[in-house]
Amino acid sequence: QKEVEQNSGPLSVPEGAIASLNCTYSDRGSQSFFWYRQYSGKSPELIMSIYSNGDKEDGRFTAQLNKASQYVSLLIRDSQPSDSATYLCAVNPSGGYNKLIFGAGTRLAVHP
Amino acid sequence: NAGVTQTPKFQVLKTGQSMTLQCAQDMNHNSMYWYRQDPGMGLRLIYYSASEGTTDKGEVPNGYNVSRLNKREFSLRLESAAPSQTSVYFCASTRDSAPPDTQYFGPGTRLTVL
Repeated sequence: QKEVEQNSGPLSVPEGAIASLNCTYSDRGSQSFFWYRQYSGKSPELIMSIYSNGDKEDGRFTAQLNKASQYVSLLIRDSQPSDSATYLCAVNPSGGYNKLIFGAGTRLAVHP
Repeated sequence: NAGVTQTPKFQVLKTGQSMTLQCAQDMNHNSMYWYRQDPGMGLRLIYYSASEGTTDKGEVPNGYNVSRLNKREFSLRLESAAPSQTSVYFCASTRDSAPPDTQYFGPGTRLTVL
């Protein structure tokens, strides 16, 4: 059974701080990794995708991938109350043809 | 562009009733997906369609059937609804199934089975 694990949270951070969200996956052959943001009652929307080991930055967001450790993370700098949402980690397993496996999500709360 | 649309937004069924959830996309995407989302369990793939005329099972296909009517539309049918199918259902589409591509999600259908 291919799995994606996330801490359910809530992760509470003050406004302006760095929020760090973590995800581990079981399929060592996985090649692509995604972070989705989901506001309460809404559908998921893609924030970041990452395919290679290392860091990928996009504005206030940085995705980090370590395939040897089977670990992917999302850093949110200068956190804002509008970042309060559930963040879903998704992994495309080997041979997956984009049949993503999602973690249960981490709820982030940014307080003023 | 409307993106991915789903109907209905909300539905209440009695055990044993049937219904079809509709999904359409106007982005000329090849691949379409049906997921369910339950509290604390994330999204789980029910069925997907890599192209018009093809469908395949995902992680949790039991109790569901699908039809890829044309390139735009992908429907999900519950033949005999059960309380365990109470969930939020999301349709998604992507340009290609391989290599991995961004999935765009519809607004969801909130289904309650009594």
